[in-house]
Amino acid sequence: DQQVKQNSPSLSVQEGRISILNCDYTNSMFDYFLWYKKYPAEGPTFLISISSIKDKNEDGRFTVFLNKSAKHLSLHIVPSQPGDSAVYFCAASAPGANSKLTFGKGITLSVRP
Amino acid sequence: EAGVTQFPSHSVIEKGQTVTLRCDPISGHDNLYWYRRVMGKEIKFLLHFVKESKQDESGMPNNRFLAERTGGTYSTLKVQPAELEDSGVYFCASSQDLGGAKYFGPGTRLTVL
Repeated sequence: DQQVKQNSPSLSVQEGRISILNCDYTNSMFDYFLWYKKYPAEGPTFLISISSIKDKNEDGRFTVFLNKSAKHLSLHIVPSQPGDSAVYFCAASAPGANSKLTFGKGITLSVRP
Repeated sequence: EAGVTQFPSHSVIEKGQTVTLRCDPISGHDNLYWYRRVMGKEIKFLLHFVKESKQDESGMPNNRFLAERTGGTYSTLKVQPAELEDSGVYFCASSQDLGGAKYFGPGTRLTVL
C-alpha cells in the first residue's frame, strides 16, 4: 500500500516556464514533507521541505505548497531551467523516534531549452 | 565538508554469494539510515541507527541482511546469501537531527546474477 503517491511519471516543460510537480499522501500521521532531486548515478539531493504547521515554504526558485485537508503537496519551480531536468521524489515522515522517510516513486522532469 | 560516501559504487555477484556494502556518514551525524530502491519502484526504508544502536530495523527484508555500525561511525550492510531479488540501489543517508532533512550518499548498485 503506497502511502506517498506521485501519479504522473513524467513532466516536460519549456525553459523559463513553471514546473508543477504533484504529490498525494494517505497517512494522516505524516507531519513533515520533503522534496528530493536525483540525477542519474547520484543519490537523492535534498531540495526543500515543509512542516505540517505551514502551507507554503519558499526557497529561491522553489516553492512547496501543502494542502493538509486534501493530503496533497506540490513543488513549483519558477522559472524552470534545463539543469532542473532530473527525477523528483516526494517524501514524508511521521513524528516519532525514527522519522524514517516514506518516498513516492518519483517524477521525471524534462526542461526543454 | 564531505558528504555521505558509499563503497563500492557497483557490485556484481552471483546468487548465493556474500556482499558487504559500506557507508560513511557526514561527520558528527548520529543518525544513519539505509534505504533501497528496486528498479522502477520507490525508495524504501531498511533501517535506522542512532550512533551504534539500531533504532528501527522494521524495513529489513529478512535475516539474510545484517547491518552494523560499530563505534557509531561508519556502517556496513551485509547480504548473505544474496538472492536475485536483492538487486537494486542501496542508499545510505545521515542526519544530525531526527526531524530534519536526510543527506544521501550516491548509492551502491547491487546486481545479483
